[in-house]
Amino acid sequence: DSGVTQTPKHLITATGQRVTLRCSPRSGDLSVYWYQQSLDQGLQFLIQYYNGEERAKGNILERFSAQQFPDLHSELNLSSLELGDSALYFCASSISGTSSGANVLTFGAGSRLTVL
Amino acid sequence: DQQVKQNSPSLSVQEGRISILNCDYTNSMFDYFLWYKKYPAEGPTFLISISSIKDKNEDGRFTVFLNKSAKHLSLHIVPSQPGDSAVYFCAGGGSNYKLTFGKGTLLTVNP
Repeated sequence: DSGVTQTPKHLITATGQRVTLRCSPRSGDLSVYWYQQSLDQGLQFLIQYYNGEERAKGNILERFSAQQFPDLHSELNLSSLELGDSALYFCASSISGTSSGANVLTFGAGSRLTVL
Repeated sequence: DQQVKQNSPSLSVQEGRISILNCDYTNSMFDYFLWYKKYPAEGPTFLISISSIKDKNEDGRFTVFLNKSAKHLSLHIVPSQPGDSAVYFCAGGGSNYKLTFGKGTLLTVNP
């Protein structure tokens, strides 16, 4: 158990629908990152929050949004879902929000989204 | 634009032998690199890192080598064990660059 909790583990939905993925970071970590892993793709960085504020944005679609709440848990909202959104979505957390080799990310087990 | 490339999708080695996983990158501004290991149904877990100012970092059976002129790094596992069988991701990052991952290499260590 990495200490990063993601729910749900699996989710099956239809095109056009909206889903919310939830992440609780490891105790003491202030930063949350969302990554997407599609078939045969590496981990694509979506977005980062640090202590409730958006810190960095990656290849996140406009149909996707995220937020980090005062208790530091984060939610990733995916709307108007398309078949291509089917993927594993990973949440990771770290102590700081800086990008350095010392700021190791701890990943959750992921949420597998299937859009039919 | 794939800034981190792992050109071998899979690698198979015998238990006790050396496993060498390779990674190439294009972004010369990366100032650190990490390797993560991922078992099925689990998230990636941190394995070892190296700063761009070093050319080698060792941790037990795992050694990472960095060749900045060739923009290439490799992970050596000696000796390989069946429990090392997993997907290995190479990643690069920097002060202005979020951690960028390769597509991963599936390592299978045969008993």
